[in-house]
Amino acid sequence: AQSVSQHNHHVILSEAASLELGCNYSYGGTVNLFWYVQYPGQHLQLLLKYFSGDPLVKGIKGFEAEFIKSKFSFNLRKPSVQWSDTAEYFCAVNINDYKLSFGAGTTVTVRA
Amino acid sequence: DVKVTQSSRYLVKRTGEKVFLECVQDMDHENMFWYRQDPGLGLRLIYFSYDVKMKEKGDIPEGYSVSREKKERFSLILESASTNQTSMYLCASLLGQNLNYGYTFGSGTRLTVV
Repeated sequence: AQSVSQHNHHVILSEAASLELGCNYSYGGTVNLFWYVQYPGQHLQLLLKYFSGDPLVKGIKGFEAEFIKSKFSFNLRKPSVQWSDTAEYFCAVNINDYKLSFGAGTTVTVRA
Repeated sequence: DVKVTQSSRYLVKRTGEKVFLECVQDMDHENMFWYRQDPGLGLRLIYFSYDVKMKEKGDIPEGYSVSREKKERFSLILESASTNQTSMYLCASLLGQNLNYGYTFGSGTRLTVV
């Protein structure tokens, strides 16, 4: 399995603060990259994805992520978080086939 | 919307029992997956199936088997449940090899083995 590292286990923020979650992967070839989110009590859902082209991708709910090939990174960002962004966030990588390898996840708690 | 339905939300079983976790999807997806989700470890792939009666091992298949007799149903089987299989189990499906919409996940089954 490909290695996917998420740097932060738990992040606590106040509303309106900026958020950045790190994600690094260990494969040197072409990859497809994803961020998934799991809100409390809900199923995992796709936040955004990168396949090719513009390395800055925008997803739902104001999230964006930047693919930096030289750093093997795909960090997730949001300029101003809301209480409703409290969730667990997973980075995932796909190479060659259609299986996904997930990182350990980052729990984000936004304080009102 | 594609729906992936897992039959049980919570399950408690005894050590040594044979356990069946059921997953059904309603959009004719070829590919189905079973992951387990553990704190600090994220999601790890147990098995996946790319067609009826076809299966492949994922990263952690030991202690598990699967069955896919019909396209819409993918079952995960714990032959003899052990306490280290206490976990959240997630089923997912995917249409063909089109990752553009990502996987569709079920709500999960939280299994406790006592």
